[in-house]
Amino acid sequence: DSGVTQTPKHLITATGQRVTLRCSPRSGDLSVYWYQQSLDQGLQFLIQYYNGEERAKGNILERFSAQQFPDLHSELNLSSLELGDSALYFCASSVADRETQYFGPGTRLLVL
Amino acid sequence: GQNIDQPTEMTATEGAIVQINCTYQTSGFNGLFWYQQHAGEAPTFLSYNVLDGLEEKGRFSSFLSRSKGYSYLLLKELQMKDSASYLCAVRDVLPRDDKIIFGKGTRLHILP
Repeated sequence: DSGVTQTPKHLITATGQRVTLRCSPRSGDLSVYWYQQSLDQGLQFLIQYYNGEERAKGNILERFSAQQFPDLHSELNLSSLELGDSALYFCASSVADRETQYFGPGTRLLVL
Repeated sequence: GQNIDQPTEMTATEGAIVQINCTYQTSGFNGLFWYQQHAGEAPTFLSYNVLDGLEEKGRFSSFLSRSKGYSYLLLKELQMKDSASYLCAVRDVLPRDDKIIFGKGTRLHILP
């Protein structure tokens, strides 16, 4: 158990819908990262927040957005969902900006 | 550009030693990570190298050569539970752009 929690564990929805994935970092960690992992693409870095501020941006689509709240939990919002958005979404946290990341168990999203 | 290469699959025998290589091309290197990921589970941190040389941690060691853009993960005394994917990840830091890039992973099969 890494100490990072993610909810929900599984999510099934339809194309065009919007979902919100939630992540609580390890106690004391200020950085939160979001990743998407699909079978053919491997692990793709989406976005990082550090102490409430956006810190780095990767291959995140405009239909996706994220934020980190004052209590340091983070949410990833996925809208206008497409079949290709079906993937495992991981959240990770680290103590500081460039430290080792600890991954949550992931949310498995299936878009039908 | 940014690129990380590692072999797609490798096979080794229980009790043996295996070396998983990773080569990378980045604009602003600032550290290399190795993660282990069992199928359907979250990645777990194995090692972090930012300076050249070998870092040893139990049965696992990681080596980095920044001038060659090369790293390897060495696994000794292989156990069946070591069957997993091993992900090489590089932190690429530029002014106003700070990303973590993952390779597609090396799937390691351990034979009895």
